[in-house]
Amino acid sequence: VQLLESGGGLVQPGGSLRLSCVASGFPFSAYAMTWVRQAPGKGLEWVSGISESGGSRFYVDSVEGRFTISRDNSKNTLYLQMNNLRAEDTAVYYCVKEMGGRHYFDYWGQGTPVTVSS
Amino acid sequence: DIQMTQSPSSVSASIGDRVTITCRASQNIGSGLGWYQQKPGKAPKLLMSAASSLQSGVPSRFSGSASGTDFTLTISSLQPEDFATYYCQQAARVPLTFGGGTKVYIK
Repeated sequence: VQLLESGGGLVQPGGSLRLSCVASGFPFSAYAMTWVRQAPGKGLEWVSGISESGGSRFYVDSVEGRFTISRDNSKNTLYLQMNNLRAEDTAVYYCVKEMGGRHYFDYWGQGTPVTVSS
Repeated sequence: DIQMTQSPSSVSASIGDRVTITCRASQNIGSGLGWYQQKPGKAPKLLMSAASSLQSGVPSRFSGSASGTDFTLTISSLQPEDFATYYCQQAARVPLTFGGGTKVYIK
């Protein structure tokens, strides 16, 4: 299993970024996927999750209405569109595969850093 | 939202020591709890799911237990590679939530 994130970087407050995660080594369309973030020196925070088909999407309250999770099963790719970014969104963002049928995170990407600063 | 309260926030221990980390859920989550290990600069690694089910390849010195809304991760004999930060995570209800973490230091 490999999860390769990209798209992170430095952005000004109010700006946008789109994170991508290309998955390989497992049947991507058969598993729910998740984004988890970790602010510098802080703990882990679940951000958003999406079902196998993409029909169900979930968000933590702090990003609801600003972030959109999506997936393209034909490209084995997970996305996170982040709009109206705030300083408190600064973190390493991990692309994570969920265990089959359960909300445990069995494979993680290496993470992509997002810095929101003027 | 379900709050996960993890304790202690840090623990200092020696090689061979028994280490216990506790996580308390603010609501009933059944056995829906996972434990993760994270080393500096690395992604977390899933150690255990369903409170006590060890992931493949995880040493048997790691064990988990549950009593109501209280969950425990025990390392029976601490090894050099176990010095890391450990997180619990409830898997019962969205939004999924993590405990604050426990850093295991070398004494």
